[in-house]
Amino acid sequence: DSGVTQTPKHLITATGQRVTLRCSPRSGDLSVYWYQQSLDQGLQFLIQYYNGEERAKGNILERFSAQQFPDLHSELNLSSLELGDSALYFCASTRQGGTILGGELFFGEGSRLTVL
Amino acid sequence: SQQGEEDPQALSIQEGENATMNCSYKTSINNLQWYRQNSGRGLVHLILIRSNEREKHSGRLRVTLDTSKKSSSLLITASRAADTASYFCATDVLSYGGATNKLIFGTGTLLAVQP
Repeated sequence: DSGVTQTPKHLITATGQRVTLRCSPRSGDLSVYWYQQSLDQGLQFLIQYYNGEERAKGNILERFSAQQFPDLHSELNLSSLELGDSALYFCASTRQGGTILGGELFFGEGSRLTVL
Repeated sequence: SQQGEEDPQALSIQEGENATMNCSYKTSINNLQWYRQNSGRGLVHLILIRSNEREKHSGRLRVTLDTSKKSSSLLITASRAADTASYFCATDVLSYGGATNKLIFGTGTLLAVQP
């Protein structure tokens, strides 16, 4: 158990809909990373937050948004869903604010999104 | 786009044999990490090597890093059936401004260890 909690574990929805994925980081971790894993794209970095502020942005679509709240949990909002958004979405946390310190990431078990 | 690419994409070996996976990356880095993923599960950190290190060991794992070639290798010795998983390298991306705070994963190697 990594200590990172993601909900829901599974989600099935229709095209055009909006969903919210939630992540609770390990106790004491200030950074949250979001990744998307699909068969054709591999593991794609979406966005990183540190103590409530956005620190780095990756291949995150404009239809997607995220935020980190004062209690440090994070939410990833996916809107106007398309079939291609079907994937496993991972949240990971670490204590450090930046990658230069080389902290390992602790991953949740992921939220599997299926868009029909 | 992927920062790192693992080679081979898939590897099948017998229990007791050694498994070697390679990772090539594109940009300058501070450090390189290796992670393991059991099918459909979250990734688990295995080992980290810094850009000023050339080799590191942890149990049955040996990692090398060649920054001049922008490549790393992960060696698992005396493999076990329980080592069956996907293995990913991850690199932090440096830009001219310094750390980008992006930890980018490679494409992964699927390792199957036959009992």
